[in-house]
Amino acid sequence: RKEVEQDPGPFNVPEGATVAFNCTYSNSASQSFFWYRQDCRKEPKLLMSVYSSGNEDGRFTAQLNRASQYISLLIRDSKLSDSATYLCVVNRWGSGNTPLVFGKGTRLSVIA
Amino acid sequence: DAGITQSPRHKVTETGTPVTLRCHQTENHRYMYWYRQDPGHGLRLIHYSYGVKDTDKGEVSDGYSVSRSKTEDFLLTLESATSSQTSVYFCAIKGTSGDNEQFFGPGTRLTVL
Repeated sequence: RKEVEQDPGPFNVPEGATVAFNCTYSNSASQSFFWYRQDCRKEPKLLMSVYSSGNEDGRFTAQLNRASQYISLLIRDSKLSDSATYLCVVNRWGSGNTPLVFGKGTRLSVIA
Repeated sequence: DAGITQSPRHKVTETGTPVTLRCHQTENHRYMYWYRQDPGHGLRLIHYSYGVKDTDKGEVSDGYSVSRSKTEDFLLTLESATSSQTSVYFCAIKGTSGDNEQFFGPGTRLTVL
């Protein structure tokens, strides 16, 4: 099983739609979880951390299921500007300063 | 803005030549990282540093060396560039929120002919 797995997509959705991405991770000892967004030919940018209780930031909601080792990202009311690649990221083991492992990304295209 | 710059932003070089990429940060972050990103592989960690003169290998360190002689600069060197090292290289720093998040520089696009 790969350390972090994501559906590569692309997900093509109309403006205003709700879209959800899932990601699975292999190391049950991982403690840090994130979603990053990456635009074409740009650096990855932190979208949000993911906490055990779930968390929301405007139109974005992230969930963590430790028992099943998966993370989700829900985007409501999609905007054209949401078109990007979304990277699921976990730390390799434990907490603190351990290296991060990046998924290959899920590509989203929001269509007018 | 995490105050990270990378230089050069683009470079074309020939096989066998040495190449040094520079990452510079202005906010005194202790941890710095070098990644490469290739189609089909996502971001992969090359080396990282947890302080001046303290570095460690990542998952794809072969063919690369690093140095950190001062807090603000983290250098990545390809001693003898190969075509397989054609890639986009990103530098990152570890944030200070306690979540272990990282923030990235704008990247260096390296082509080895």
